[in-house]
Amino acid sequence: GAGVSQSPRYKVTKRGQDVALRCDPISGHVSLYWYRQALGQGPEFLTYFNYEAQQDKSGLPNDRFSAERPEGSISTLTIQRTEQRDSAMYRCASSAGLAGEPHGNEQFFGPGTRLTVL
Amino acid sequence: QKEVEQNSGPLSVPEGAIASLNCTYSDRGSQSFFWYRQYSGKSPELIMSIYSNGDKEDGRFTAQLNKASQYVSLLIRDSQPSDSATYLCAVLPSGGYQKVTFGTGTKLQVIP
Repeated sequence: GAGVSQSPRYKVTKRGQDVALRCDPISGHVSLYWYRQALGQGPEFLTYFNYEAQQDKSGLPNDRFSAERPEGSISTLTIQRTEQRDSAMYRCASSAGLAGEPHGNEQFFGPGTRLTVL
Repeated sequence: QKEVEQNSGPLSVPEGAIASLNCTYSDRGSQSFFWYRQYSGKSPELIMSIYSNGDKEDGRFTAQLNKASQYVSLLIRDSQPSDSATYLCAVLPSGGYQKVTFGTGTKLQVIP
């Protein structure tokens, strides 16, 4: 595709429900990143993948959060038993991820998913 | 000490002036530096990347990097009201590790 896409764009759920947020990266991009962004703050790292391998999940807040990218393309961020404090904008980004290529680390963001937990 | 620090602003400049946005970082071995522009309610948009000491110019934008001082800046010449946005500095640390750290951003207001 032309850019990174995310779905849904908006998600309202009740506390205790599970949600799955989807990210479709730029075609051919090796690396995929998940961030959470609060109002007035920069993106906060959650996790990232190279191909299908999850390279770093140190930013996931707790074990209710998980992510996968089984075929090295589309990724899903899942939040189980949602809580009101999970309400935020969740952003996905991708990069070419080419080793040794400076521009390979330039990240391009999708439109984000606004999650509201009631 | 935060890994990437920016003044939150707002930075107000008159139309046509030069806007200077600054960022400092803590990892001395950092290799890659990025500036993103984020309009209110929108996603961050990459506008500049810089990898070597010195200046890099792209249109009205100039990125400046000083690794010895651990300092990167963005200059916007002939500022326009459409430049009003939050500017995020992002840093990729050393060792080829791909986890980019973002600053909290500086809000720029260009006054017509």
